[in-house]
Amino acid sequence: GAGVSQSPSNKVTEKGKDVELRCDPISGHTALYWYRQSLGQGLEFLIYFQGNSAPDKSGLPSDRFSAERTGGSVSTLTIQRTQQEDSAVYLCASSVPGLHTDTQYFGPGTRLTVL
Amino acid sequence: AQSVAQPEDQVNVAEGNPLTVKCTYSVSGNPYLFWYVQYPNRGLQFLLKYITGDNLVKGSYGFEAEFNKSQTSFHLKKPSALVSDSALYFCAVRDGGSQGNLIFGKGTKLSVKP
Repeated sequence: GAGVSQSPSNKVTEKGKDVELRCDPISGHTALYWYRQSLGQGLEFLIYFQGNSAPDKSGLPSDRFSAERTGGSVSTLTIQRTQQEDSAVYLCASSVPGLHTDTQYFGPGTRLTVL
Repeated sequence: AQSVAQPEDQVNVAEGNPLTVKCTYSVSGNPYLFWYVQYPNRGLQFLLKYITGDNLVKGSYGFEAEFNKSQTSFHLKKPSALVSDSALYFCAVRDGGSQGNLIFGKGTKLSVKP
C-alpha cells in the first residue's frame, strides 16, 4: 500500500516568507508526527496529532511554527516569517497507536532552504 | 527525561565482517526501542523494534538487536555486512507508559568497504 507522502520534496524560500509543508499519512493511521532533521541537531520532535485529541505542541521551537490536521488525515505544517535557522529537512510520520502496532512510518521529507 | 546515546558518529566495517552499531537509552518507564535506517536523500526506514518479550529482536535486511535491561542498551547487529548496508542508522526510544513522539539518537554513519 501507499506510504507516507510529503510535498513539496524541496522548497527554497526567502527569509521572511511563509511556507506550508504537507503530509499525507498512511490510510487508517490515526497518529501523525512532525519532526525536523538538521545538521548538528539530529532529529527533533515538533508536534503530534492523535485522533480528535488536542495536539501535543511541546516540540514547536517558536510561535512562528504551527500545524493543523484536517479531517483526521492530511496535515499542514506552516512556518511564518522564515529564518535561515529554519533550513532543515522536515519529516512526517504516521502510526496506529497500540502495543504492537505503534511503529512510526516516515515520509521522504521536505528539504527547506531559507536564503 | 528520556534520552538516547549513540556513542559512535561513524562505524567502518569490511564487507563480510560482522557489524555492531551501539545504542544506550534512558527512560523512566518501560522502554519501547526502535532502529531506523536512512539512505541519502531518503526518509527513515523502520528496521526493528523491541516492545516486550524476547530480548533478541530480528528485523529487516538481516539485522537484529538485543535488548539489555541491566546495561540499558539496544545494540544493532548483523553477522555479515554488505556494501549496501552503508547508511545512517538511528536508535530511538519512548516510554511505553505513554503515547507520543520518539526520542532519537544523533545517528551513526555506517560505512561498509568492499
